[in-house]
Amino acid sequence: KAGVTQTPRYLIKTRGQQVTLSCSPISGHRSVSWYQQTPGQGLQFLFEYFSETQRNKGNFPGRFSGRQFSNSRSEMNVSTLELGDSALYLCASSLIRGERGEQFFGPGTRLTVL
Amino acid sequence: GENVEQHPSTLSVQEGDSAVIKCTYSDSASNYFPWYKQELGKRPQLIIDIRSNVGEKKDQRIAVTLNKTAKHFSLHITETQPEDSAVYFCAASKGSGGSNYKLTFGKGTLLTVNP
Repeated sequence: KAGVTQTPRYLIKTRGQQVTLSCSPISGHRSVSWYQQTPGQGLQFLFEYFSETQRNKGNFPGRFSGRQFSNSRSEMNVSTLELGDSALYLCASSLIRGERGEQFFGPGTRLTVL
Repeated sequence: GENVEQHPSTLSVQEGDSAVIKCTYSDSASNYFPWYKQELGKRPQLIIDIRSNVGEKKDQRIAVTLNKTAKHFSLHITETQPEDSAVYFCAASKGSGGSNYKLTFGKGTLLTVNP
């Protein structure tokens, strides 16, 4: 099976712009989670989607949003970009929700905000 | 919310030695504890995990122990090899219910195995 894929892999934006990142989970996986990774804060949970519904949300401002489509693909959007939004954005997919919750990560999208 | 502390932040060992990384968590309801390995420029990869109904789990040179009472868990790597060099992250989450997949990560340990 193909692994989790993310597009684009690299992105450069300027302050005030908005950006949309895409994640395709492993075939059959219905849960998609998003994480922000920075050198200072490490890996921080953004949100989780399952069956097109946001089920959990981390402590990020409303500028960060996401959605999931019927084929389980997910997108996240960041509006009004700030310099501090520069990070590696990782998505992870899981087969089911419940006891067996192994998450498999994609390669990430490296966002640089100038 | 959950808070996960990880120590040490850096660890340097000689090839063949053992390495131990320790994590503590704050939420007693957490019951799923995965460990991820992230090589430079690559995605985090799950290397081992443990659930709260188990005290220890082994997979070849890697083992994880869990002490629910003290709320800490540890990663043990024996007979380390240069290819074990990477950043290791511990994480914790609740295994069922609303916060199922909200993994809270430690800050990571940079392990360097010197040949």
